[in-house]
Amino acid sequence: NAGVTQTPKFQVLKTGQSMTLQCAQDMNHEYMSWYRQDPGMGLRLIHYSVGAGITDQGEVPNGYNVSRSTTEDFPLRLLSAAPSQTSVYFCAIRDREFYEQYFGPGTRLTVT
Amino acid sequence: GQNIDQPTEMTATEGAIVQINCTYQTSGFNGLFWYQQHAGEAPTFLSYNVLDGLEEKGRFSSFLSRSKGYSYLLLKELQMKDSASYLCAVRGNNAGNMLTFGGGTRLMVKP
Repeated sequence: NAGVTQTPKFQVLKTGQSMTLQCAQDMNHEYMSWYRQDPGMGLRLIHYSVGAGITDQGEVPNGYNVSRSTTEDFPLRLLSAAPSQTSVYFCAIRDREFYEQYFGPGTRLTVT
Repeated sequence: GQNIDQPTEMTATEGAIVQINCTYQTSGFNGLFWYQQHAGEAPTFLSYNVLDGLEEKGRFSSFLSRSKGYSYLLLKELQMKDSASYLCAVRGNNAGNMLTFGGGTRLMVKP
């Protein structure tokens, strides 16, 4: 998936637990973003970053935190997992000058 | 805000032509994208339109009319491997120019 890795691939959490979804890239792209995908709702933007040290909220940020201390990494933190956060999470990267956006392989999260 | 509509499901026959429509209403427009997503996999980029007209890339073509807020993806000579979801997305004028996606169209190709 074009130099974007995500870990873990699958995760099951209990309500109230916290965890971090990892996203790493080796393409030196400035823009990184997190989407969640739910059946029938397409991909919805959670948080994004336009460079190290800069993050902003997307469409559905509640319950999630992000930070961007390096160009390569953009972790997504679930503070207190809820069943409504059961979803597939995709990390995406893009170079500032080009339009194509590359997606990582995804993390399938279930919250019970 | 942005609103993007596309049909939920379509069925077509192997070897045929299918057109998947997408309509959008956005507060800003910096391009329209089509992605293909096979079940259980990540979306992969298919096409990008920023000016009105048709962009052709092999068996796939994408059309854009900005005045009508309308795009379509045309798939010719359908193959079984084209069975997938097709996602329409719009890049707005928000900071970072992030994509807003429609709900996706699940295409089933039958023999």
